[in-house]
Amino acid sequence: AQSVSQHNHHVILSEAASLELGCNYSYGGTVNLFWYVQYPGQHLQLLLKYFSGDPLVKGIKGFEAEFIKSKFSFNLRKPSVQWSDTAEYFCAVRGGADGLTFGKGTHLIIQP
Amino acid sequence: GAGVSQTPSNKVTEKGKYVELRCDPISGHTALYWYRQSLGQGPEFLIYFQGTGAADDSGLPNDRFFAVRPEGSVSTLKIQRTERGDSAVYLCASSMGGPDTQYFGPGTRLTVL
Repeated sequence: AQSVSQHNHHVILSEAASLELGCNYSYGGTVNLFWYVQYPGQHLQLLLKYFSGDPLVKGIKGFEAEFIKSKFSFNLRKPSVQWSDTAEYFCAVRGGADGLTFGKGTHLIIQP
Repeated sequence: GAGVSQTPSNKVTEKGKYVELRCDPISGHTALYWYRQSLGQGPEFLIYFQGTGAADDSGLPNDRFFAVRPEGSVSTLKIQRTERGDSAVYLCASSMGGPDTQYFGPGTRLTVL
């Protein structure tokens, strides 16, 4: 069975700080990897995804993630966060089955 | 275009009652997924439909949970003899199938008293 681990459950940063949210997964086969974001009062929406090719993936709103196969990791990064980035962030993997397996999420708070 | 819609947005019921939760996917999406999100957790996969048939129902927790998609569009998640532990946000997502991006609805918050 596949699983996803997100290392930080709560992160508090000041505006303009750099962000890195960790995500590790366990699955031995080919995977598709996703980061979803849930802004306050809104539904889950896709930030970025990795299927194949360049392991450095760029998404919306200046976010990027790097797939490191040897480390089973897909960490999310942003060089300079904004107050509007306050949200819940979920890493997810699609392995042998079509349903996604999500991590527990990271609650990010950006202080102005 | 319209996104995934779910009704009701909130449902409060008593222990032992039967509930139905509805999902309207994005038009043209052949794949439909149900997830359950408990407080402080990420979404947990329940069931996946490709067209009218349940292609994978391995995530349904027990036989009190059942879902249908009779015409390959709208889906209904049915929960019999609800328990307090069923309280959660039930999310629906749809896609074109396979590895395509899943688009999520706003969810139905179910509270079992």
